[in-house]
Amino acid sequence: NAGVTQTPKFQVLKTGQSMTLQCAQDMNHEYMSWYRQDPGMGLRLIHYSVGAGITDQGEVPNGYNVSRSTTEDFPLRLLSAAPSQTSVYFCASKLGGTYGYTFGSGTRLTVV
Amino acid sequence: GENVEQHPSTLSVQEGDSAVIKCTYSDSASNYFPWYKQELGKRPQLIIDIRSNVGEKKDQRIAVTLNKTAKHFSLHITETQPEDSAVYFCAASRAQAGTALIFGKGTTLSVSS
Repeated sequence: NAGVTQTPKFQVLKTGQSMTLQCAQDMNHEYMSWYRQDPGMGLRLIHYSVGAGITDQGEVPNGYNVSRSTTEDFPLRLLSAAPSQTSVYFCASKLGGTYGYTFGSGTRLTVV
Repeated sequence: GENVEQHPSTLSVQEGDSAVIKCTYSDSASNYFPWYKQELGKRPQLIIDIRSNVGEKKDQRIAVTLNKTAKHFSLHITETQPEDSAVYFCAASRAQAGTALIFGKGTTLSVSS
């Protein structure tokens, strides 16, 4: 198993540009989540999904869209990037009926 | 929604001392409380967790305690070592209800030799 794979690892965007952060897992995990990590703020939940076709908002969803068309993939879309979205983004997943989430290696995004 | 408070934000100890990190949560329906360790530039890694039907859980030098009535839980690290230096995060969720983890803001632990 490759685990939770996030791409790209690093990205620089200009204000107003759009992009998609990719998250894929090959463990047949139903539950997937996106977090952003900023210094002193911990890990804040952006969006999460409990299965294909089901998504819900987390603590800081504004400026981000998600979809879950397959069990394996949970992309995070920034429609119009802003400097406030400069952060490290982590994707996490777990199998239904279990408890522990597995994290991807993260994407470091800079918006200039 | 759930809100998790974590204290202290920084903690410095001497090698061999014990370290305690405390968290409180707001949602009385939360029933799963994991602790993650994050080294610089790395992803968070689960180190121990506890469910609401258990009051204490140990794994070698680390232990977690849970007080459901007071809605707080703590991480205890004994005989600290320099490699314990990292950022530690607590989290809470309603595991079986399909909600995601809500994290505290983290504690930076520094162990000096």
